[in-house]
Amino acid sequence: DGGITQSPKYLFRKEGQNVTLSCEQNLNHDAMYWYRQDPGQGLRLIYYSQIVNDFQKGDIAEGYSVSREKKESFPLTVTSAQKNPTAFYLCASSIDLDQPQHFGDGTRLSIL
Amino acid sequence: EDKVVQSPLSLVVHEGDTVTLNCSYEVTNFRSLLWYKQEKKAPTFLFMLTSSGIEKKSGRLSSILDKKELFSILNITATQTGDSAIYLCAGNTGTASKLTFGTGTRLQVTL
Repeated sequence: DGGITQSPKYLFRKEGQNVTLSCEQNLNHDAMYWYRQDPGQGLRLIYYSQIVNDFQKGDIAEGYSVSREKKESFPLTVTSAQKNPTAFYLCASSIDLDQPQHFGDGTRLSIL
Repeated sequence: EDKVVQSPLSLVVHEGDTVTLNCSYEVTNFRSLLWYKQEKKAPTFLFMLTSSGIEKKSGRLSSILDKKELFSILNITATQTGDSAIYLCAGNTGTASKLTFGTGTRLQVTL
């Protein structure tokens, strides 16, 4: 079945550690996005990519990094510079600018 | 700065009631307004609105956009317990189809 797969579902990070969240899609979508969701704050855009080997910062990119080496994959690394990483992270993709974004099931990141 | 404001923040209704959820937006290079339903995990797409005054309908759900007043509403008629969820509104800015989300309306439908 076509869709967006995020893994892992739950992730724990120790102080000073970098962690990487996986996002894979088999929808042949060009555009991919990462959002962070905190209680009472809605979704906020971290990074987005319109095409392979190209990506742009969103509204809250500090402390995060991404890569887009393949069309299907858009991993997000939460670095030790992100001081408040506890949140629900959602990956999305869309076929083009005029079509809606569709979301994966998310990864919940917590600090140990 | 792009902004999307939803109201009410939360709502409790009885099964069978009709509800109206509100969304106002200020989004640069506006392309469209989207509604999503989020139960426990992934937000699921409901509607995308691009033109003023044209109602979109899917079963008991409907939505309309007013581009002059920068406003959209989502109506749910004959609510069921399965409608309990957070409903998210997002404005799509033309730059790379970036979405600016509101904080959502938490709807609880009781028996």
